[in-house]
Amino acid sequence: RKEVEQDPGPFNVPEGATVAFNCTYSNSASQSFFWYRQDCRKEPKLLMSVYSSGNEDGRFTAQLNRASQYISLLIRDSKLSDSATYLCVVRITGNQFYFGTGTSLTVIP
Amino acid sequence: DADVTQTPRNRITKTGKRIMLECSQTKGHDRMYWYRQDPGLGLQLIYYSFDVKDINKGEISDGYSVSRQAQAKFSLSLESAIPNQTALYFCATSDPRDPRQETQYFGPGTRLLVL
Repeated sequence: RKEVEQDPGPFNVPEGATVAFNCTYSNSASQSFFWYRQDCRKEPKLLMSVYSSGNEDGRFTAQLNRASQYISLLIRDSKLSDSATYLCVVRITGNQFYFGTGTSLTVIP
Repeated sequence: DADVTQTPRNRITKTGKRIMLECSQTKGHDRMYWYRQDPGLGLQLIYYSFDVKDINKGEISDGYSVSRQAQAKFSLSLESAIPNQTALYFCATSDPRDPRQETQYFGPGTRLLVL
């Protein structure tokens, strides 16, 4: 069983739409949670960390549900520049990070 | 200049050849990682190092070895390359003292094709 699972999509949404991605993790001892963004053929970059109380950064909102072991990312007012693959990342113990396979988003004009 | 650099950026090699991928960083981070990315599998950890004297195996270390020559340099070797090692390889760094603590900073990647 994979440590982190994501719906690969693709999600194709019009500009201005709201889109949500979910991610589930299998290890209840997971300690830290993140969303990374990866543009085509580029390196992943941190989008935001996910805190227990939920957190927001502009148009992006991340939520964590420890009881159900899932993480979500909500993007409001989608922009063309949001088109990318979004990676869910979990740290279990030590400093090993487990990456989901990513969810592909295309924002259409 | 990029904080995390990888060389080469692209490499084509033949089965059985030994190759080395190099990673250098100017961020002053102690922790360095090597990942591979395959379509549909996401990033998988090969090796990681918390300092020059510390090397640890990740999820998929078989067929790979690493060397931490200095704080700034972490090399990945394929002793005898095989076709299923064809992948995109990323080096990353992190610093637990960083205010964003566990952020991983990735290099631009090395595309490896093993024929």
